[in-house]
Amino acid sequence: NAGVTQTPKFQVLKTGQSMTLQCAQDMNHEYMSWYRQDPGMGLRLIHYSVGAGITDQGEVPNGYNVSRSTTEDFPLRLLSAAPSQTSVYFCASSPLAGSLDEQFFGPGTRLTVL
Amino acid sequence: AQSVTQPDIHITVSEGASLELRCNYSYGATPYLFWYVQSPGQGLQLLLKYFSGDTLVQGIKGFEAEFKRSQSSFNLRKPSVHWSDAAEYFCAVAASGGSYIPTFGRGTSLIVHP
Repeated sequence: NAGVTQTPKFQVLKTGQSMTLQCAQDMNHEYMSWYRQDPGMGLRLIHYSVGAGITDQGEVPNGYNVSRSTTEDFPLRLLSAAPSQTSVYFCASSPLAGSLDEQFFGPGTRLTVL
Repeated sequence: AQSVTQPDIHITVSEGASLELRCNYSYGATPYLFWYVQSPGQGLQLLLKYFSGDTLVQGIKGFEAEFKRSQSSFNLRKPSVHWSDAAEYFCAVAASGGSYIPTFGRGTSLIVHP
């Protein structure tokens, strides 16, 4: 198993550009989520999904869209990037939604918005 | 809503010394508690978790944590630190009802001197 994979690893954008951060897992996990990590702020939940076709907002959803058309993939879209979205983004998955299973994290995407 | 506080931003210890990282939580009922470790440039990895039962929990890499309800704490300990333990450590709490989505603390950076 590859576990949770994220692409790209690094990305530089200009203000106003759009892009999609990819996240995939091959463990047939039901629950997937996106976090952003900023210095001194820990991890903050952006969006999450409890299964294919179901998504919901987390703590800091503004400026981000998600979709979950398959169990495996959970892309995060920035429609119009802003410097405030400069951060490290982590995707995570766990076997069952509504359970206390361990979350498995991807290696992260470091995004800089100029 | 639940919350978690890690009062120490940085902790510096000498290799071979003991370690204690502090974590305090806020939640009205019995919380579910986690410690994750993040090595440089990596995603997060679960060290240990507490759901119920014995309040002293053993984890991977020689770590343990003790749940103290009276102090609303879940401190992480290790009797002898190795240089490879240098990393960022995150405490997380999940509510005992609902979606169990964890809330992460801001993290404590562990620096290990030779």
